[in-house]
Amino acid sequence: SQTIHQWPATLVQPVGSPLSLECTVEGTSNPNLYWYRQAAGRGLQLLFYSVGIGQISSEVPQNLSASRPQDRQFILSSKKLLLSDSGFYLCALHNRGRANTGELFFGEGSRLTVL
Amino acid sequence: AQSVSQHNHHVILSEAASLELGCNYSYGGTVNLFWYVQYPGQHLQLLLKYFSGDPLVKGIKGFEAEFIKSKFSFNLRKPSVQWSDTAEYFCAVNANAAGNKLTFGGGTRVLVKP
Repeated sequence: SQTIHQWPATLVQPVGSPLSLECTVEGTSNPNLYWYRQAAGRGLQLLFYSVGIGQISSEVPQNLSASRPQDRQFILSSKKLLLSDSGFYLCALHNRGRANTGELFFGEGSRLTVL
Repeated sequence: AQSVSQHNHHVILSEAASLELGCNYSYGGTVNLFWYVQYPGQHLQLLLKYFSGDPLVKGIKGFEAEFIKSKFSFNLRKPSVQWSDTAEYFCAVNANAAGNKLTFGGGTRVLVKP
């Protein structure tokens, strides 16, 4: 079965420092991959999605970027963190082998606190 | 652009009470609808989904949801809640099957008192 690994699980970083959150998936090939941010009372906001290696679509303008260097690896980055980047970041995948129904599977998330 | 509204941010109820969480979306075309649940300390998991057919769908743990197209709604229900149903519940809509991008509501935190 498919699994999603997110690393690190928790991170505390100072303002202005760089960021790298990693998501790796197993048990599937050529998935669509997504980065969501979860903020209290605001649900989940889609940040980036990728349909393949090197293909990234950004949903909202922000201080973050994403990259997909390998089929099963999705990285969320920032060169200089802002206080507003604090949040809970979720990686998700969609299996292309299934019908295009939009069902996503989520990782356990990475909690980022920017001080 | 599609949007999803969950009207209740927090719900507190006692065990055995009935639960109904509202969800409305804004999109005029064909949609796929989902309810996800996040139990304390756990990752988001799918509770139930609607793609087509019977508008009353049943999910895990005794939950069900009804799709009412004329009202753009997909409300979640459970006749008798348990303490273990304490969680945050998210409604989500996919109105762009080609991109498989889910739009989520703001979530509803449900606390079931024993």
